[in-house]
Amino acid sequence: QSVLTQPPSVSGAPGQRVTISCTGSSSDIGAIYDIHWYQQLPGTAPKLLIYANNNRPSGVPDRFSASTSGTSASLAITGLQAEDEGDYYCQSYDSRLSGSVFGGGTKLTVL
Amino acid sequence: QMQLQESGPGLVKPSETLSLTCTVSGGSIGTSAYYWGWIRQPPGKGLEWIGSIYFTESTYQNPSLESRLTMLVDKSKNQFSLTLSSVTAADTAFYYCARLRGTYAYWYFDLWGRGTLVTVSS
Repeated sequence: QSVLTQPPSVSGAPGQRVTISCTGSSSDIGAIYDIHWYQQLPGTAPKLLIYANNNRPSGVPDRFSASTSGTSASLAITGLQAEDEGDYYCQSYDSRLSGSVFGGGTKLTVL
Repeated sequence: QMQLQESGPGLVKPSETLSLTCTVSGGSIGTSAYYWGWIRQPPGKGLEWIGSIYFTESTYQNPSLESRLTMLVDKSKNQFSLTLSSVTAADTAFYYCARLRGTYAYWYFDLWGRGTLVTVSS
C-alpha cells in the first residue's frame, strides 16, 4: 500500500478540466517535502510532468499545473485532450522511510 | 542529450540474483549535478522506488529491499548497476533506471530509461 494516496481513476471529456489528488501525511507532504508528478502513457516509461510542487519542465504544456496544501497535493489538467490518457503518479520523500515514495497512481480516461 | 539504457537478463530463476546495468550516454555519470536511481513497476501496478546512488557511491535504499540490494557506480564505463539477491515472483517487474535532480529528500526523477522487464520464474 502506497504512502501517498491517489484516486484509482478519474475521467473527463475533451476540453474539460480534471484534478488528481495526492494525500500524504506529516512525514512527507506535510513535512514540506516537495511533490513531483509523472505522466505514464500506455506502454511507455514515466515522464516528469511537474517538479518541486508547481514547476513544469521544458516542453510540458501549461495545461498542466499543480498545488499543495497541508498534507495534500493536487494536479490539474485543463483543456483535456485524448493524448492525455494514461496514468499519473505523485512522488515525494518520506522521512520515516528515509526514501522516495510514490502514490499508487491514477488512471485518466478521456471520454 | 543524455540518455539512459537498462540492460540485463529478462528471466531470472527464483532464489537467484537479479543483475541490471544502466548505461549513461551523452554525459558523465561522475558529475555532482545528479544522483542516479532505480524504480520498478510490477506489470499493471504502480511505481516503487528501489534506491538511489551518487557518483561517490553513497547509496540510499528502500528499507523493504535493503537486505537484498547492492548498488554500484562504474565511472570508467559510465554505468551504474543494481543487484537484488534471493528473488521471488514478487520481484517480477519492469525495472527503470533514472536520473535524479535536486538535493537529498527533494529529489525528482527527470530522465528515465525505457525500462526492462525482468521475470522471475523457473
